[in-house]
Amino acid sequence: GAVVSQHPSWVICKSGTSVKIECRSLDFQATTMFWYRQFPKQSLMLMATSNEGSKATYEQGVEKDKFLINHASLTLSTLTVTSAHPEDSSFYICSARIGLADLRAQFFGPGTRLTVL
Amino acid sequence: GQQLNQSPQSMFIQEGEDVSMNCTSSSIFNTWLWYKQDPGEGPVLLIALYKAGELTSNGRLTAQFGITRKDSFLNISASIPSDVGIYFCAGQPGGTSYDKVIFGPGTSLSVIP
Repeated sequence: GAVVSQHPSWVICKSGTSVKIECRSLDFQATTMFWYRQFPKQSLMLMATSNEGSKATYEQGVEKDKFLINHASLTLSTLTVTSAHPEDSSFYICSARIGLADLRAQFFGPGTRLTVL
Repeated sequence: GQQLNQSPQSMFIQEGEDVSMNCTSSSIFNTWLWYKQDPGEGPVLLIALYKAGELTSNGRLTAQFGITRKDSFLNISASIPSDVGIYFCAGQPGGTSYDKVIFGPGTSLSVIP
């Protein structure tokens, strides 16, 4: 089946530093990749949608200068949390979709736990 | 904006019991999806529903797309310990692009052996 990986699986950083999270589709090319944030015991909140080679579309309330998304290829998207603060601590999950319309062809990564001290 | 509500918020059941949970919205959805998330993992798709009234099964799981297009339910029969996890409904709201899928708040399921 389709596999999406994330790296790192967890990261601890100091306040003010930047952290990069990678999302890769291992055995398929993804038309679109999505980044979600999940706080403890809460739901997944969509942060942004990105297509290869174009700028990401951010959801309302998500700061694009703070959460930089680069979608370099059909198999790789990166999320950089710039100048991280403790309130950015969360579980970040990426998702990759094959094609446009079939939501069954959207696969989620295992998530990255970010803790900002 | 569009919001999904799930009930119950959490459930504790005995192994072997059947489980029922549902998801509602104040607005129409084009697609309903049910996911399961294990602790520290990403969600995994269980069932996808595309048409009002559609009833779909996946092993011990059965889900239905409500006739009004504003609700969906998920049933799990003969629960087993590995059913433990958080179940999310998700959907594509009517009138939105294919990119937009929103998640409900989740139902936490605990199975007592």
